[in-house]
Amino acid sequence: DGGITQSPKYLFRKEGQNVTLSCEQNLNHDAMYWYRQDPGQGLRLIYYSQIVNDFQKGDIAEGYSVSREKKESFPLTVTSAQKNPTAFYLCASSIPNRGLGEQYFGPGTRLTVT
Amino acid sequence: ELKVEQNPLFLSMQEGKNYTIYCNYSTTSDRLYWYRQDPGKSLESLFVLLSNGAVKQEGRLMASLDTKARLSTLHITAAVHDLSATYFCAVDRGSTLGRLYFGRGTQLTVWP
Repeated sequence: DGGITQSPKYLFRKEGQNVTLSCEQNLNHDAMYWYRQDPGQGLRLIYYSQIVNDFQKGDIAEGYSVSREKKESFPLTVTSAQKNPTAFYLCASSIPNRGLGEQYFGPGTRLTVT
Repeated sequence: ELKVEQNPLFLSMQEGKNYTIYCNYSTTSDRLYWYRQDPGKSLESLFVLLSNGAVKQEGRLMASLDTKARLSTLHITAAVHDLSATYFCAVDRGSTLGRLYFGRGTQLTVWP
C-alpha cells in the first residue's frame, strides 16, 4: 500500500538535545512538506522540498533543519535552538501542478521536550 | 502573504441540524482543499475544489467555491455525531511550489 510513514509516533526528549523525526513516502511524490501543529493554531509550514537536494524555508523554519537526499525521505531535525519544540509534527507529500495537487499527510509525531 | 480565515472556529450543534462553515482567503487562488482531522490523528482529505462554482458532495457534507468572492463554504446537513472533528480549509496560491496555506480550523462538536 502506498502512503506516508512517520516515526516514532511519540517522542520524548530533554531540553538541549537535537532530535530527528523521520518521514518516508512511497507515493512517488516530488514534493514533501513539514508542518507543526499547536492547539488552536492550525498548521504552520516549517520546510518544504520540491525536488531532491533542494528545499525552502517555510514560515517558522528557525530552530529546524531538513535534508532531501532521496525522493522518498524528508527527515526533520529539531535543534536545541528551537525555543518551544513541544508540538505535533506532520509530514505531507504531493505532486504539485499535476492532478488534483492535494497533499497527503502522514500519521504525525508528537514531540514532548522537558 | 496569503491569509486564510475560517469561521466559526468552534461550532457546537445538535444532531439533525444544518450549519455552514466559511473559509475566506485574501488573494487569488487556483485551488481550495478541505481536510478533516479527528482528535490526535492526522489530516484526511475531504474535497478538492478546482474552479469557480465548483461544488462537491460526500454524504452530509457539501463544499463549494466562489473564486470571485474568495470564499468557500462547507455545509453540513442533518449533522450526526460521527461528523465531530476539526475541519480545515487550505488554499493553493497557484505557484509552482505547491505549498498550501491553511486556516486555523473549525472544531465541530455534534451532540445528541
